[in-house]
Amino acid sequence: GAGVSQSPSNKVTEKGKDVELRCDPISGHTALYWYRQSLGQGLEFLIYFQGNSAPDKSGLPSDRFSAERTGGSVSTLTIQRTQQEDSAVYLCASSLAGTQETQYFGPGTRLLVL
Amino acid sequence: SQQGEEDPQALSIQEGENATMNCSYKTSINNLQWYRQNSGRGLVHLILIRSNEREKHSGRLRVTLDTSKKSSSLLITASRAADTASYFCATGRIQGAQKLVFGQGTRLTINP
Repeated sequence: GAGVSQSPSNKVTEKGKDVELRCDPISGHTALYWYRQSLGQGLEFLIYFQGNSAPDKSGLPSDRFSAERTGGSVSTLTIQRTQQEDSAVYLCASSLAGTQETQYFGPGTRLLVL
Repeated sequence: SQQGEEDPQALSIQEGENATMNCSYKTSINNLQWYRQNSGRGLVHLILIRSNEREKHSGRLRVTLDTSKKSSSLLITASRAADTASYFCATGRIQGAQKLVFGQGTRLTINP
């Protein structure tokens, strides 16, 4: 079946603008994760959704970052008033259940804030 | 502090040789996973080893886990140019926040 998809693939924006990044997880996967990866670095956890439970937002770097997951499927990561340090690849992953299972990653959205 | 630490940070070998990458972690884990990333985009899951397992194989991959030393190793045998990528370990914790914690990765280059 289809894998995790993300859109857009690339996004260039100006400092101070808001951006929305979208993630479509694998159908039937109850867990969804957002990560950020700066150039040449490892993955930084941002937020985790599991079913109807309250999301784990412990990785969000500031209150400019928010995410929602509608209907237990599609998720949107919103960055308000973008800053240059927000430039990174934003990766989404989904898994059948929680973190004890394999995560399947999307191709990522490369965000560049000018 | 970083949970998973891969070692070395970069590794360059000749095609056909074996490549070994190591991962160390600090807290008790439920499982440890290895992922591969090509060209800075999406990660591909390679293998998952649970805390009660010591060794696991998948094709040319062999993963070991030593919970007493809090370390794991990934061995790629008979390397190929297509194995050139970054390799990350990720740990699933027993307690605390339920998320995978990734290391900084090992950049592997296979020279033809």
